[in-house]
Amino acid sequence: AQSVTQLGSHVSVSEGALVLLRCNYSSSVPPYLFWYVQYPNQGLQLLLKYTSAATLVKGINGFEAEFKKSETSFHLTKPSAHMSDAAEYFCAVSVPTQGGSEKLVFGKGTKLTVNP
Amino acid sequence: NAGVTQTPKFRILKIGQSMTLQCTQDMNHNYMYWYRQDPGMGLKLIYYSVGAGITDKGEVPNGYNVSRSTTEDFPLRLELAAPSQTSVYFCASILLQGGPKNIQYFGAGTRLSVL
Repeated sequence: AQSVTQLGSHVSVSEGALVLLRCNYSSSVPPYLFWYVQYPNQGLQLLLKYTSAATLVKGINGFEAEFKKSETSFHLTKPSAHMSDAAEYFCAVSVPTQGGSEKLVFGKGTKLTVNP
Repeated sequence: NAGVTQTPKFRILKIGQSMTLQCTQDMNHNYMYWYRQDPGMGLKLIYYSVGAGITDKGEVPNGYNVSRSTTEDFPLRLELAAPSQTSVYFCASILLQGGPKNIQYFGAGTRLSVL
């Protein structure tokens, strides 16, 4: 069954430092992978998605993620953290269901803190 | 466009009460979903619908019911509220076009406490 594992429930970085949020997936078929961001008291918003085109995916707000099949990973990075990046980040995999529909399976999330 | 709209934003229920969480989308999306979010647990799928009149269970359907009489609306019903249903509930929708490449659009959430 498809699933995702996010390593580290909390990550803390200094402003201007590299952001690295880890996500590993488990899938018996080529996966479709997503990163979503949730700002405090808001819903989830898509950062980026991998759909089997380029392995390096660029998203909004300077984030990018690289799909590595050999490592079953889809880590999220940003070269220089900004205070406004403080949020919770979720990795998700699209899972087909019976009848041809689909659903997302989410990781448990990683809360990013950015220190001044 | 308003996108996905959830009401109410906050609600406190007593044990055993019932309520309906409303979700409406104005994007003519065919797929709609209900999730619950608990601290440190990510999002768990409760129910989903692939179109009007068609619903199916997700990972954690017990204690909930849904209906989908129109494309726009996908209400979530709690019949006998229990403390374990204290959570933040999110509704989401997708316009499914030719495969699993689609972006889910989320509402702002309903924060529910059962005391």
